Amino acid sequence: SQQGEEDPQALSIQEGENATMNCSYKTSINNLQWYRQNSGRGLVHLILIRSNEREKHSGRLRVTLDTSKKSSSLLITASRAADTASYFCATLNQAGTALIFGKGTTLSVSS
Amino acid sequence: EAGVAQSPRYKIIEKRQSVAFWCNPISGHATLYWYQQILGQGPKLLIQFQNNGVVDDSQLPKDRFSAERLKGVDSTLKIQPAKLEDSAVYLCASSLVKGVGVFGPNEAFFGQGTRLTVV
Repeated sequence: SQQGEEDPQALSIQEGENATMNCSYKTSINNLQWYRQNSGRGLVHLILIRSNEREKHSGRLRVTLDTSKKSSSLLITASRAADTASYFCATLNQAGTALIFGKGTTLSVSS
Repeated sequence: EAGVAQSPRYKIIEKRQSVAFWCNPISGHATLYWYQQILGQGPKLLIQFQNNGVVDDSQLPKDRFSAERLKGVDSTLKIQPAKLEDSAVYLCASSLVKGVGVFGPNEAFFGQGTRLTVV
């Protein structure tokens, strides 16, 4: 079964705007990861946040984690057309050996 | 460094036919995963290998799906016979150490996938 659920399912913004995606999960986690998937391609790892971290930055990406609410958010600042993709959050399965993905948020950035 | 290679990229078959997908992981990656991604959904784990042994195949429909990883490198995933609901993208991924997030690097590297259409 899927662990994380992203919200919204779809998001359309203009270039230069910020995009925020949320992820809720069900069980306790060691870490939470965000991946990007361009149309027709595989997934690419973006960023990982550990359960003892509250916020992490990587370039234009900012991830927050609230373990009390079992939720995470991914913020992409100053969006570009090239950011158009689906974004998935992922957590580890119970055995801690494999990633379990949510349904994803589809982001469209228009110029 | 070469990425995860998958073939074919696309495959169209009729229901009840059989099909096989091939994956070559990143050199040195001991762990290999097969995921199924139905349109509009996130990837769903089908099977996980550690070297040539199966770690988790709890979500693999074993009546029609099979997978092997001979010699702990390349892997093949087979569907026989295929059903309409098997239409999906089949993604192969690999990671350096046993499991993702257990020891060492925490990310999985994905291939571009094989898009299967069953008609």
